[in-house]
Amino acid sequence: AQSVTQPDIHITVSEGASLELRCNYSYGATPYLFWYVQSPGQGLQLLLKYFSGDTLVQGIKGFEAEFKRSQSSFNLRKPSVHWSDAAEYFCAVGPGGYNKLIFGAGTRLAVHP
Amino acid sequence: DAGVIQSPRHEVTEMGQEVTLRCKPISGHNSLFWYRQTMMRGLELLIYFNNNVPIDDSGMPEDRFSAKMPNASFSTLKIQPSEPRDSAVYFCASSWTSGDNEQFFGPGTRLTVL
Repeated sequence: AQSVTQPDIHITVSEGASLELRCNYSYGATPYLFWYVQSPGQGLQLLLKYFSGDTLVQGIKGFEAEFKRSQSSFNLRKPSVHWSDAAEYFCAVGPGGYNKLIFGAGTRLAVHP
Repeated sequence: DAGVIQSPRHEVTEMGQEVTLRCKPISGHNSLFWYRQTMMRGLELLIYFNNNVPIDDSGMPEDRFSAKMPNASFSTLKIQPSEPRDSAVYFCASSWTSGDNEQFFGPGTRLTVL
């Protein structure tokens, strides 16, 4: 069955520190992988996506993610976190039929000044 | 492009009342998804449409919930009668099936049932 696991429910980092959010997936074929961010009171916004090719993908706001097929992982990274990065982050895998995506439970990021 | 439009942004109603949430997908998109988000259950897919046809409504929690998509530019999610446990943020998202599978989300409707 297709699934996405985000092992960390909450993460707290200091501003300027590096960040890595974990995502593991289960999918029968070559996956399409996504990271979305949700700021408080907002909808979900796409950060980056992977379909094929270079396994290190760059996204908006200085984020990047690396696809590792052998580990079924798609971890999100940022070298230096800003206070404005405090939000909830969702990993998703697809495609299901008609572009259905399977979302993880999300990781809530808090940033200390 | 205006993005996915949802209305109202906030809705406060009393238990037993009918609630209708509205969504206008991005022009040209042919898949539409309704989600519900709560602290307890996270992000749940309720129902999705393709070319205005409901494909999978297995996520709809109860018969009190119904959704329609009368045309390519409009969808509704109705709750009748509403209950306090329906309080949540409801998101609509749209996508183009010949594209790269990305879903574009609306800003959500925050529903409070008293």
